[in-house]
Amino acid sequence: SQTIHQWPATLVQPVGSPLSLECTVEGTSNPNLYWYRQAAGRGLQLLFYSVGIGQISSEVPQNLSASRPQDRQFILSSKKLLLSDSGFYLCAWTRGLVEEQYFGPGTRLTVT
Amino acid sequence: AQSVTQLGSHVSVSEGALVLLRCNYSSSVPPYLFWYVQYPNQGLQLLLKYTSAATLVKGINGFEAEFKKSETSFHLTKPSAHMSDAAEYFCAVSEVLKGGATNKLIFGTGTLLAVQP
Repeated sequence: SQTIHQWPATLVQPVGSPLSLECTVEGTSNPNLYWYRQAAGRGLQLLFYSVGIGQISSEVPQNLSASRPQDRQFILSSKKLLLSDSGFYLCAWTRGLVEEQYFGPGTRLTVT
Repeated sequence: AQSVTQLGSHVSVSEGALVLLRCNYSSSVPPYLFWYVQYPNQGLQLLLKYTSAATLVKGINGFEAEFKKSETSFHLTKPSAHMSDAAEYFCAVSEVLKGGATNKLIFGTGTLLAVQP
């Protein structure tokens, strides 16, 4: 069976510090990968997606970046965090166009 | 662009009562629709999905949803609420991303379900 991992589970970082969140998927190959952000009181917003190693697409301009160094690894980064980067970050994967997306447990990021 | 509207950000029911969570969608093509549940500080878990097969879709934990094209609705129901159903519920529609290689989910703003004893 497939599983998706995210770490860390929670993170408190000062404004201006760097960020690295990691997501890995097990039990499948060549998944489509996604980063969503869920801000307090709001829905989920797609940040980045990837259909293969090194292929990253951004949905919205922002202070964040993403990378996919390996087939089942997806990393969300920032060089300098802003207060507005606080939120719950969810990684997800899917097999194809009409398939549902499977979500990881999430990372709660608080920027102070 | 496709969109999803969830009516009622908070819904409260008594244990054993009917649960009805509303979702309306806007789509220019036949939609693929999903309901997810989120417990506090956890990821999203798929409850059920509609992908143009049967209009009445049964999911996990006794939930079901009916796709009504004429009403552009995909409401989630459960005949008898349980305390463990207290969570936030999200309706989503799938949209193909540019290039056609993958899709994204467009989510509603969620409905927080409270179950009273």
